[in-house]
Amino acid sequence: AQKITQTQPGMFVQEKEAVTLDCTYDTSDQSYGLFWYKQPSSGEMIFLIYQGSYDEQNATEGRYSLNFQKARKSANLVISASQLGDSAMYFCAMREVSGGYNKLIFGAGTRLAVHP
Amino acid sequence: DGGITQSPKYLFRKEGQNVTLSCEQNLNHDAMYWYRQDPGQGLRLIYYSQIVNDFQKGDIAEGYSVSREKKESFPLTVTSAQKNPTAFYLCASSRVGGALNQPQHFGDGTRLSIL
Repeated sequence: AQKITQTQPGMFVQEKEAVTLDCTYDTSDQSYGLFWYKQPSSGEMIFLIYQGSYDEQNATEGRYSLNFQKARKSANLVISASQLGDSAMYFCAMREVSGGYNKLIFGAGTRLAVHP
Repeated sequence: DGGITQSPKYLFRKEGQNVTLSCEQNLNHDAMYWYRQDPGQGLRLIYYSQIVNDFQKGDIAEGYSVSREKKESFPLTVTSAQKNPTAFYLCASSRVGGALNQPQHFGDGTRLSIL
């Protein structure tokens, strides 16, 4: 079965600095996709970035980038130039395809606190 | 603007009572999902549906029921059989097929508490 592991329950970073949030995954599939979501204290889930297993380049979206190391089965999220509004829970998720259905498997999340 | 609407935002349930959480989307997505989130934890899949009148159990379906009579709507009923219903419930939708990078889009959630 597929599994997502986020080993950092909480992280803090100084405003304007970069921070890396860890995510490792376990799958026997050759084709898979990895997503990162942000969950502010209000509760909604905001899609940040996607990395496909066959993508040759690491994904980037503005201040967000993925450090994708396929051999190590890791897909760490890097947030550059942290802002106070980045304080939130961050979830790594993997697409699972089963019986023709697409599902997402989520990690336990990392709570990021950005300090001024 | 297209999006997913969940209602109510807060819901209280008495012992032995069934309650229904509403989820409506106008994104023209075929697939819809219900997740449960407990404090400090990730999301766990309750039910999902890729087509009207068809749905599948997720990892924690016991004590819950759903219906999918319309493409836009996927209500979740928390039955009295669910002994620990206090949690944050999130509804999501996505396209079926197409590019693999299609994300799931989420509503703002419903917070359910036991009285």
